[in-house]
Amino acid sequence: DAKTTQPNSMESNEEEPVHLPCNHSTISGTDYIHWYRQLPSQGPEYVIHGLTSNVNNRMASLAIAEDRKSSTLILHRATLRDAAVYYCILKESGNQFYFGTGTSLTVIP
Amino acid sequence: KAGVTQTPRYLIKTRGQQVTLSCSPISGHRSVSWYQQTPGQGLQFLFEYFSETQRNKGNFPGRFSGRQFSNSRSEMNVSTLELGDSALYLCASSLGMGRAYEQYFGPGTRLTVT
Repeated sequence: DAKTTQPNSMESNEEEPVHLPCNHSTISGTDYIHWYRQLPSQGPEYVIHGLTSNVNNRMASLAIAEDRKSSTLILHRATLRDAAVYYCILKESGNQFYFGTGTSLTVIP
Repeated sequence: KAGVTQTPRYLIKTRGQQVTLSCSPISGHRSVSWYQQTPGQGLQFLFEYFSETQRNKGNFPGRFSGRQFSNSRSEMNVSTLELGDSALYLCASSLGMGRAYEQYFGPGTRLTVT
């Protein structure tokens, strides 16, 4: 299982952008980069995923480094509802996700 | 479109008993995966079903089993429950298998073994 490295925790002020980093130096050419988040007492929630190009959706943006060894999840304006654990996952095949410990995001009012 | 539903939401069982958990995927989704979440081990993959066949299996003992029906609904069974099986069991569905498919998780079933 391919490994990712994320900071254990981060803080952000409300209504400011948040950049959540993820290192994946052992990524292979066909691995997709997926981001999920888990709010307290809920199941994980899909955020965004991509392969090589930067991706945008209504929730967030995903910036992928040119060498694909790192990526950054960008929340454009953090709200209190964005406080969650964010998981960066490399998807190698099938639907077998290996979740690490993720980054616990605290949003300060 | 309705999301992934799991029943029951909460369950209390006694050590040695068996339990069956149910998952209904999003309409049209053919893949169902199961995960166990505990404070100590985090989220761990149990198994995945696609078109009624188990496609992948995580590192769990044979007491954990599952199946998928022709309508894509899935059940997982844990026999001879142990105290360490107390966990949040999560089901996730996906349109298909493969790297590009995202998964959608249900709210989970909270199992407590006493």
